[in-house]
Amino acid sequence: KAGVTQTPRYLIKTRGQQVTLSCSPISGHRSVSWYQQTPGQGLQFLFEYFSETQRNKGNFPGRFSGRQFSNSRSEMNVSTLELGDSALYLCATRDRGVDTQYFGPGTRLTVL
Amino acid sequence: AQSVTQLGSHVSVSEGALVLLRCNYSSSVPPYLFWYVQYPNQGLQLLLKYTTGATLVKGINGFEAEFKKSETSFHLTKPSAHMSDAAEYFCAVSDSGNTGKLIFGQGTTLQVKP
Repeated sequence: KAGVTQTPRYLIKTRGQQVTLSCSPISGHRSVSWYQQTPGQGLQFLFEYFSETQRNKGNFPGRFSGRQFSNSRSEMNVSTLELGDSALYLCATRDRGVDTQYFGPGTRLTVL
Repeated sequence: AQSVTQLGSHVSVSEGALVLLRCNYSSSVPPYLFWYVQYPNQGLQLLLKYTTGATLVKGINGFEAEFKKSETSFHLTKPSAHMSDAAEYFCAVSDSGNTGKLIFGQGTTLQVKP
């Protein structure tokens, strides 16, 4: 099976703009989780979607949002970008009833 | 609330030496524990996991870890380091009913010297 795909791999935006990142799960995986990785805060959970419904949400402001489509692909959106949003954004997918998450390569977002 | 502490942000070993990366967790429910490895500019790759059953778990690339409930620890070991083991290692915890949400430690960078 093909692995988790994230697009784009690299992105440069300016403060105040918004951005949308995409994650395509491994075939058959219906759960998609998103994480933010920064040197200062490490890996932090953003949210999880399962069957188009948000199941869990981390402690991030409302500028961070997500959604999941019927084919399990997921997008996350960050509005009104701030310099501190510069990070590697990772998505991870898993099959129903399975405890292991499989990670994509990430999207490197730089906010100038 | 769950949390993970990785002792030592940087660990340096010589090639062929024992690798020991420390992880302690806090959880009010029986934990599921994971070790992931991250190479530069890549995502995370699962090394091994503990869910239930045998407390000594073996993973890929010769790594293993032992779940010790009394010490709330899940340390990662490898008998003999290889240059290709140089990477960043993350310990993570979730609970059995919420495995879509991982709580990670701060990570340990492993340096392997020739």
